[in-house]
Amino acid sequence: EVQVLESGGGLVQPGGSLRLSCAASGFTFSNYAMTWVRQSPGKGLEWVSGISGSDGSTYYADSVKGRFTISRDNSKSTLYLQMDSLRAEDTAIYHCAKVQGIAVTDAFDIWGQGTMVTVSS
Amino acid sequence: DIQMTQSPSSLSASVGDRVTITCRASQDIRNFLAWYQQKPGKIPKLLIHAASTLLSGVPSRFSASGSGTDFTLTISSLQPEDFATYYCQKYNSSPITFGQGTRLEIK
Repeated sequence: EVQVLESGGGLVQPGGSLRLSCAASGFTFSNYAMTWVRQSPGKGLEWVSGISGSDGSTYYADSVKGRFTISRDNSKSTLYLQMDSLRAEDTAIYHCAKVQGIAVTDAFDIWGQGTMVTVSS
Repeated sequence: DIQMTQSPSSLSASVGDRVTITCRASQDIRNFLAWYQQKPGKIPKLLIHAASTLLSGVPSRFSASGSGTDFTLTISSLQPEDFATYYCQKYNSSPITFGQGTRLEIK
């Protein structure tokens, strides 16, 4: 079964850091781009970041550029999101999603249940 | 950046109704558009990609069309399980953007 499973969420103070992980299974991880999407409680979907499956090119939403870093370890079939300088407005459920193709410019066909990140003092 | 605007933001309809949701891009995105369904407390589900291609297993009552800047998602005969929030998404280039969502409620 194709699936992705996030971990690493929690409560962090403003200005703090957190590292999310996403373990993938059931598909050849290196052949696909991966992405992070967040959803604040009761709000819509916001794309956060993506990474290609080929050369590892990375892409970010303006709201997180310079603070978040996406990476992947193809040997472990795992996606990461390093989140630094966290703000209250970063509070959300963070979903890992598999992209349909090797480039990030494709639809997201497999979503994880998400991990909750709460930024609060 | 390209903005995606969905309309309506919410819609009340009855089982058996035909409903249409529209999505407009602020610039030409060709057919790089997807539609997702999200039920309360659940994760988003990809229904359609490339503007009009249904994913395997998606009921044929769902259809979509459009190219360039104007797109539509149509449900021909609403079923109880279709009441959810629907999002369009453009993915032609970064940043990838979602519409604000259309909440489809039971009348």
